[in-house]
Amino acid sequence: DAGVIQSPRHEVTEMGQEVTLRCKPISGHNSLFWYRQTMMRGLELLIYFNNNVPIDDSGMPEDRFSAKMPNASFSTLKIQPSEPRDSAVYFCASSLRGAANEKLFFGSGTQLSVL
Amino acid sequence: GNSVTQMEGPVTLSEEAFLTINCTYTATGYPSLFWYVQYPGEGLQLLLKATKADDKGSNKGFEATYRKETTSFHLEKGSVQVSDSAVYFCALSPQGSGNTPLVFGKGTRLSVIA
Repeated sequence: DAGVIQSPRHEVTEMGQEVTLRCKPISGHNSLFWYRQTMMRGLELLIYFNNNVPIDDSGMPEDRFSAKMPNASFSTLKIQPSEPRDSAVYFCASSLRGAANEKLFFGSGTQLSVL
Repeated sequence: GNSVTQMEGPVTLSEEAFLTINCTYTATGYPSLFWYVQYPGEGLQLLLKATKADDKGSNKGFEATYRKETTSFHLEKGSVQVSDSAVYFCALSPQGSGNTPLVFGKGTRLSVIA
């Protein structure tokens, strides 16, 4: 298996633009997580899905952020409009047995820079 | 609530030095405990785990022992290498967590110099 695949690896955009980050989880995994990593705040859980259903989005910073999982093999995280403070590395992770499964498999991340 | 506290970095060591990264936790019951490692430019990956008190997790020369009496899970390695330079995250999975995701610490950056 190719592991968790995220795209793009790097995204540079201007303030106010819409940004869409993409994730393909490992085939057969039924839970998917979006994290954000910054130097100041460390690793933050934004939202997670079980069986394509959002379970907890309390980590989503504000209404500018939205996430979808239309099927078991694809998820998106959208920021509209983007702001400079959104600059961070965004990770997608998946697991097999649900959120209680300790072994998360992480993608390589998307480095987002909002100018 | 559930939380994990790690020693703040960065930690800089010479090659072959002994490593300890402290981790303590707060949780009800008997959580499972983990160390994840993040190499430069990559996502996190599981390094080792322990699921009950007094268990020792080990991998790649790293070890950590689940100490319930001190609510700790310190990471150790006897002789670090330059290739161990990375960010290390302590994490817990609450007992009977059901749909509760892992709780991560803030991470500790380790730099090993030759």
